Amino acid sequence: GQNIDQPTEMTATEGAIVQINCTYQTSGFNGLFWYQQHAGEAPTFLSYNVLDGLEEKGRFSSFLSRSKGYSYLLLKELQMKDSASYLCALADSNYQLIWGAGTKLIIKP
Amino acid sequence: IAGITQAPTSQILAAGRRMTLRCTQDMRHNAMYWYRQDLGLGLRLIHYSNTAGTTGKGEVPDGYSVSRANTDDFPLTLASAVPSQTSVYFCASSGGGHTGELFFGEGSRLTVL
Repeated sequence: GQNIDQPTEMTATEGAIVQINCTYQTSGFNGLFWYQQHAGEAPTFLSYNVLDGLEEKGRFSSFLSRSKGYSYLLLKELQMKDSASYLCALADSNYQLIWGAGTKLIIKP
Repeated sequence: IAGITQAPTSQILAAGRRMTLRCTQDMRHNAMYWYRQDLGLGLRLIHYSNTAGTTGKGEVPDGYSVSRANTDDFPLTLASAVPSQTSVYFCASSGGGHTGELFFGEGSRLTVL
């Protein structure tokens, strides 16, 4: 079967760096997505990794290790507007997305 | 502004009533999806459509039906609502093949009493 885990909640300070981890178990893998969801709003796409390594996109970076079933989202120079939930999702062998429950990130001044 | 529109944004419904959530996109995306989101759980796929005229069952299809008569519209119907269907429902579309990003509507908050 498939399983995807991420921490329920994290707290960080404005201007700092935070790493949100996502671990998964799956028999088939066609990539891993990260989405951002502000409270009461729709999820929006952040990143997609299918090969091992780090993908950098401005203040946000995403890392994947397929052999370890592990990904992380790295947020630098945190801003108050980064307070949101961050959703990890893997594409299985049928390209269906399996979603984690999300990590609520709280940014403190 | 191009995008995906859901209606209604919020609805309170008596158990046993029939309800249709509407979803329209103007991005000419082939694939469309309905998810429900519940506190403490990840998004769960209800039904999907890879192209107009075809639909498929997701992880939690029971109690729901969909149709895809054309590219733009993908309504979700609850034939006889039950309290366990209280949730936030998101419609999404994708035009980038299997690994394309999803574009979500703003969600429909449904409460079944």
